[in-house]
Amino acid sequence: QVQLVESGGGVVQPGRSLRLSCAASGFSFRSYAIHWVRQAPGKGLEWVAVISNDGGKKYYADSVKGRFTISRDNSKNTLYLQMNSLRAEDTAVYYCARETGFGTTQGHFDFWGQGTLVTVSS
Amino acid sequence: QSVLTQPPSVSEAPRQRVTISCSGSSSNIGNNAVNWYQQLPGKAPKLLIYYDDLLPSGVSDRFSGSKSGTSASLAISGLQSEDEADYYCAAWDDRLNGWVFGGGTKLTVL
Repeated sequence: QVQLVESGGGVVQPGRSLRLSCAASGFSFRSYAIHWVRQAPGKGLEWVAVISNDGGKKYYADSVKGRFTISRDNSKNTLYLQMNSLRAEDTAVYYCARETGFGTTQGHFDFWGQGTLVTVSS
Repeated sequence: QSVLTQPPSVSEAPRQRVTISCSGSSSNIGNNAVNWYQQLPGKAPKLLIYYDDLLPSGVSDRFSGSKSGTSASLAISGLQSEDEADYYCAAWDDRLNGWVFGGGTKLTVL
């Protein structure tokens, strides 16, 4: 069955860096675009970034552009999110989500991981 | 302030029907499909409706979606206590070149 498992979360000081990982299994990882979506404590969902199946296209939310970098290693079935210059407002649970229909009008996030908590605090 | 606007909360009695609205603009809902996600307490979001009104395999047909112009709606009929959750709409935004979510609607089954 499709599984997405995030890791790498933790407590980090403002201004520091952290790298999240999302390990995929149960499907052809190299065939799908994958997203990062975050949720601050008690708040709603916020889209963070997406990477196309071959890594050739990447899009970011304005709130993280220039600070976060999404990447993937299709040989390891793993997605990454490199987060630099972290701020208190980046505190959230970070989910990875698979998209079916990337680049079409039918795009949707059909599978989600369980999330990993990132806390930015001094 | 979310790009897509949803009511913060709705409530209805068991076995009744409730609708949740999602309002956007020409750059998102007006020009792209709307998806809906259900998030049960303490859980990850789950796809509920995609491409405005399609149900993924395994989702109850008590859920339905619709869209008109720059607004979309999620309807839940035959409400059950297990439907208590947060519901989010989402769409691609051509102007922002990214996905946008509604602020979420908390459903309470009275």
